[in-house]
Amino acid sequence: DAGVIQSPRHEVTEMGQEVTLRCKPISGHDYLFWYRQTMMRGLELLIYFNNNVPIDDSGMPEDRFSAKMPNASFSTLKIQPSEPRDSAVYFCASSSLGLAGHTSTDTQYFGPGTRLTVL
Amino acid sequence: AQSVTQLGSHVSVSEGALVLLRCNYSSSVPPYLFWYVQYPNQGLQLLLKYTTGATLVKGINGFEAEFKKSETSFHLTKPSAHMSDAAEYFCAVRGSGYSTLTFGKGTMLLVSP
Repeated sequence: DAGVIQSPRHEVTEMGQEVTLRCKPISGHDYLFWYRQTMMRGLELLIYFNNNVPIDDSGMPEDRFSAKMPNASFSTLKIQPSEPRDSAVYFCASSSLGLAGHTSTDTQYFGPGTRLTVL
Repeated sequence: AQSVTQLGSHVSVSEGALVLLRCNYSSSVPPYLFWYVQYPNQGLQLLLKYTTGATLVKGINGFEAEFKKSETSFHLTKPSAHMSDAAEYFCAVRGSGYSTLTFGKGTMLLVSP
């Protein structure tokens, strides 16, 4: 398996522009997570999906951020409009329940991340 | 609710020395515990995990960790550090019945020749 795929790996944009980050989870995984990593705040969970449905978006910093998962193999995180304080590395991760209905053994697999710089 | 505390944002060791990275957790339900490693400009990679059963868990690259319920700890060790171990290490906890991980703030391991 190719693992979790994220694109682009690097994004440089100007304040006010729309930014779209993309993620392809591992095939067969039914959970997808978006994280943001900064020096100041560490690793923060932004939102996660189960079977393409958003379950908890309480970590999304504000309305400028939105995430979608139109199918099991694709998710996007959009920032509109972007601001310099959004500069960070954004990670996508996926996992599965493992044994049917048993949640004790899932492992989150992380993508390589997208390094976003907003000027 | 769960939380993780990693003692020491930076740990420095000499090559060949013992590595000890400390992690304490808090969980209102039985915890599942994880250590991840992040190399520069890469994503997080699972080192090892504890779910149930044996409390001493062995992972990749010679690392191991021991779950101590009485101490609410899950410290990561390696007998002999290699230069290639230099990276940031994250401890994480997931409560039984929960879907999300709570991460510590990370410990940067520095290995000198």
